[in-house]
Amino acid sequence: EVQLVESGGGLVKPGGSLRLSCAASRFTFSNYNMNWVRQAPGKGLEWVSSISSSSSYIYYADSVKGRFTISRDNAKNSLYLQMNSLRAEDTAIYYCARGGLYQQRNDVFDIWGQGTMVTVSS
Amino acid sequence: QSVLTQPPSASGTPGQRVAISCSGSSSNIGSYTVNWYQQLPGTAPKLLIYSNNQRPSGVPDRFSGSKSGTSASLAISGLQSEDEADYYCAAWDDSLNGWVFGGGTKLTVL
Repeated sequence: EVQLVESGGGLVKPGGSLRLSCAASRFTFSNYNMNWVRQAPGKGLEWVSSISSSSSYIYYADSVKGRFTISRDNAKNSLYLQMNSLRAEDTAIYYCARGGLYQQRNDVFDIWGQGTMVTVSS
Repeated sequence: QSVLTQPPSASGTPGQRVAISCSGSSSNIGSYTVNWYQQLPGTAPKLLIYSNNQRPSGVPDRFSGSKSGTSASLAISGLQSEDEADYYCAAWDDSLNGWVFGGGTKLTVL
């Protein structure tokens, strides 16, 4: 079964850093664009970042630009999100989601992980 | 305030048909296809409709999508209790150079 498994969430103080990982299995990870989407407690979905299959094209939501960095290691079938200068408003479940094979603007998020919780609090 | 506008709630009785709207602009829905996601309580989102009106394998044909101009709609016919969930529309936005989601619609089956 095609699967995405996130890890790395936890409790961090404001201003701190955290690195999330997403392990992919049972599909050719290197062919697909990948995304991070988050959901604050009791709130809706918010797209965070997108990376193309070869890492050539990267996009960020304005709310995280300059603080978060998306990356991937195709040899390890893994997606990452480095989160710096964390704020209380970054508290959310972070999901990784598989995109498509072509331009990211045509992506369909067809596979989602179970999510990892990030809590930013003193 | 979400870029795509959805009603916060919708409801219907078993067997009924309900529709959920998603309103955007020329930079998102007006230029790109719309995808819909279903999120059952306590679970991760799941792709429900893609490219405006396409159903992934395994999604019942009770679910259908449409798009006209800068708006899209998700229709659920033959409503069932297991359809009780949050529903989100999404589209690429050229102005923001990223994906935008609707605020979500909580569907209650009475």
